[in-house]
Amino acid sequence: NAGVTQTPKFRILKIGQSMTLQCTQDMNHNYMYWYRQDPGMGLKLIYYSVGAGITDKGEVPNGYNVSRSTTEDFPLRLELAAPSQTSVYFCASSGTSVLNEQFFGPGTRLTVL
Amino acid sequence: QKEVEQNSGPLSVPEGAIASLNCTYSDRGSQSFFWYRQYSGKSPELIMFIYSNGDKEDGRFTAQLNKASQYVSLLIRDSQPSDSATYLCAVNTYTGKLIFGQGTTLQVKP
Repeated sequence: NAGVTQTPKFRILKIGQSMTLQCTQDMNHNYMYWYRQDPGMGLKLIYYSVGAGITDKGEVPNGYNVSRSTTEDFPLRLELAAPSQTSVYFCASSGTSVLNEQFFGPGTRLTVL
Repeated sequence: QKEVEQNSGPLSVPEGAIASLNCTYSDRGSQSFFWYRQYSGKSPELIMFIYSNGDKEDGRFTAQLNKASQYVSLLIRDSQPSDSATYLCAVNTYTGKLIFGQGTTLQVKP
């Protein structure tokens, strides 16, 4: 099992550009999450999904969009990138209960200039 | 008041000593508590989780939970330089989502 995979590993965007961060898991987990982590800080939840076709906002959803068309994939879309979106983005997944351990992907380091 | 609070550190301990990491949370309805370890530039990985009041031991790690005081801690016995990392406390609230503290940086000096 590859676990949770994310692409790309690194990306530099110009202000106003858009991009999609890809996340795929092969553990058949229903729950998936997107977090951002700013330097020296904890993780902030952007969006989460409890199953295909179901998504909901987390703490910091502004400037982002998600979709969940399959159990495996949970892409995060950034529209009109801003310097405030410079961060490390982690995707995670967990089993059928939200009490289950969350498994994290390796992260995407995004810089907006 | 932040929902999950940790001292950012750094906490510096000599090799072989006990490292004590602390976390407080504000939501009395919180159901489960997790400790993640994060090496610099890497993703978080689960160390321990605890649901019930008291202690839970796993090898050199012990998690302690006191729901009345809204306090959870992680003890690392016989600390090793390889334990040097940031430790994130995460709390599963009544909403079902994990809320993370900002993390405590641990430095174990040889």
